[in-house]
Amino acid sequence: DAKTTQPNSMESNEEEPVHLPCNHSTISGTDYIHWYRQLPSQGPEYVIHGLTSNVNNRMASLAIAEDRKSSTLILHRATLRDAAVYYCILSPRGGTYKYIFGTGTRLKVLA
Amino acid sequence: DADVTQTPRNRITKTGKRIMLECSQTKGHDRMYWYRQDPGLGLRLIYYSFDVKDINKGEISDGYSVSRQAQAKFSLSLESAIPNQTALYFCATSVPGLAGNEQFFGPGTRLTVL
Repeated sequence: DAKTTQPNSMESNEEEPVHLPCNHSTISGTDYIHWYRQLPSQGPEYVIHGLTSNVNNRMASLAIAEDRKSSTLILHRATLRDAAVYYCILSPRGGTYKYIFGTGTRLKVLA
Repeated sequence: DADVTQTPRNRITKTGKRIMLECSQTKGHDRMYWYRQDPGLGLRLIYYSFDVKDINKGEISDGYSVSRQAQAKFSLSLESAIPNQTALYFCATSVPGLAGNEQFFGPGTRLTVL
């Protein structure tokens, strides 16, 4: 199973954009890139996913490198409610959909 | 009402006791999962089930067993609890093809083994 590498922690000021990086140099051609976040005292929740093209939804944007060996989750305007641990996960398309969680990035948002 | 519920939410037990954690879902999803989370770490997969008759081991299944009683129910058992099974346990569900197999997580069960 391909693994991901993320910084342990990041800080952002409220109302500013946040770019959360993820390296996945061993990604295979059929792996989806997923992002989940875990708010304090809650289970993880889906944020966004993609395969090759950049993706946008109401929560965030996902920018995927051309070689797919890295990706960046973009929160356009961080709020205090975005303080959480963000996980970048690979899962094989058409496979068993087992998620391998890393340790994630703890995002701190400063008021 | 929550779509994925877990009972109990907190449990303290003693070494050697048998304990069962239960997960129920109203989402109608076929796939269900059990994960554990240790402090400061990500989630690790214990078992997963793609339907009532299909159960598979995850990366850390030793010391655990599961039962899929119905599409909506997936239970995790610790036959003889030990202190290093103290952790936060999450149940999740998914359906193939939805958002790349988006998983929906329950609120978690905090288990302490003394």
